[in-house]
Amino acid sequence: GAVVSQHPSWVICKSGTSVKIECRSLDFQATTMFWYRQFPKQSLMLMATSNEGSKATYEQGVEKDKFLINHASLTLSTLTVTSAHPEDSSFYICSARGTGRTTEAFFGQGTRLTVV
Amino acid sequence: GQNIDQPTEMTATEGAIVQINCTYQTSGFNGLFWYQQHAGEAPTFLSYNVLDGLEEKGRFSSFLSRSKGYSYLLLKELQMKDSASYLCAVTRGGGGNKLTFGTGTQLKVEL
Repeated sequence: GAVVSQHPSWVICKSGTSVKIECRSLDFQATTMFWYRQFPKQSLMLMATSNEGSKATYEQGVEKDKFLINHASLTLSTLTVTSAHPEDSSFYICSARGTGRTTEAFFGQGTRLTVV
Repeated sequence: GQNIDQPTEMTATEGAIVQINCTYQTSGFNGLFWYQQHAGEAPTFLSYNVLDGLEEKGRFSSFLSRSKGYSYLLLKELQMKDSASYLCAVTRGGGGNKLTFGTGTQLKVEL
């Protein structure tokens, strides 16, 4: 299957700082990327859908000013957690779907964010 | 809205067969995915069902009934490495193919 690389795999930051997470499709062009958040022992919750060159679509209850998403190219989307707080600590996972791929979305390795 | 339900936990014996059920209620249903997720890792794709019936792929099979809003994942010849969380996810037409995940089923395989 296709490869999606997510970086960093883990990060620890101080409360009030911002953290950027990158999601790259390595061997295909991703027209759509999805960002998920997963708390311990819970399922994945979709945060937002980003399409290359346009604004992201956020799910209900997700603050777009806090979770900034940029999908500037067909192989890269970034999620920036601004003014992070301890309650933002979670596992963040991206997935990407390419052009012509109407079914499967491929997942990145995930990023474990800990805000102290 | 959408509602996707799975059992929270299941335990099975190595070498046995286990069936993990998923029921869903959603408008504009398009297809259903099963993913496997080990702790601290990203989900990995297992299967995708669009039409009614059984799809077999090695030790794993997945079944879908669109009229009943029901799917199951069947794991045969269980191995210890199959201990993981199994996630059922549905896609809706016109939704950009975004996935909505169920609660996940934590499977523990014992000797």
